Amino acid sequence: NAGVTQTPKFQVLKTGQSMTLQCAQDMNHEYMSWYRQDPGMGLRLIHYSVGAGITDQGEVPNGYNVSRSTTEDFPLRLLSAAPSQTSVYFCASSYGIGQDYEQYFGPGTRLTVT
Amino acid sequence: AQTVTQSQPEMSVQEAETVTLSCTYDTSESDYYLFWYKQPPSRQMILVIRQEAYKQQNATENRFSVNFQKAAKSFSLKISDSQLGDAAMYFCAYRMYNNNDMRFGAGTRLTVKP
Repeated sequence: NAGVTQTPKFQVLKTGQSMTLQCAQDMNHEYMSWYRQDPGMGLRLIHYSVGAGITDQGEVPNGYNVSRSTTEDFPLRLLSAAPSQTSVYFCASSYGIGQDYEQYFGPGTRLTVT
Repeated sequence: AQTVTQSQPEMSVQEAETVTLSCTYDTSESDYYLFWYKQPPSRQMILVIRQEAYKQQNATENRFSVNFQKAAKSFSLKISDSQLGDAAMYFCAYRMYNNNDMRFGAGTRLTVKP
């Protein structure tokens, strides 16, 4: 198993550009989520999905879109990048919801918006 | 809303010594999970230890143990026989029993001196 993979590892964008951060998992996990990590702060939840076709907002959803057309993939879209979106982005997945299901994190994508 | 506070931005320990990292949290829930994650320079989030709130016994994993004080809403991590490889950012995290939204503290950077 590759686990949770994220591409790209690094990305530099100009203000106003759009891009998609890719996340994939090969563990047949139903739950997937996106977090951002900013200096001096812990990870904060952006969006999550409890299964294909189902997504919902987390703590900091503004400026981001998601969709979940397959169980394996959960891309994060920035439609018009802003400097405030400079951050490290983590994708995570787990087999189920709540209880003692462990979340597995990807290696992260460092995004810089100039 | 649930919040997690790590009051020690940085800590250092001598190799082979013991260090304790502090964490407090705020919640009105009675069933939840608490976690400590390690983040080395590679950025990978690594689960160190997990505690279920309904269990009174403190979790242990080899050299890592926790002191869980439910009434005080305190969850500290003790690292015994510290090793150079323990140097990393450590994040305390909280999750309710019935969902996957994790709330993270701001982190503690641990330095291990040879």
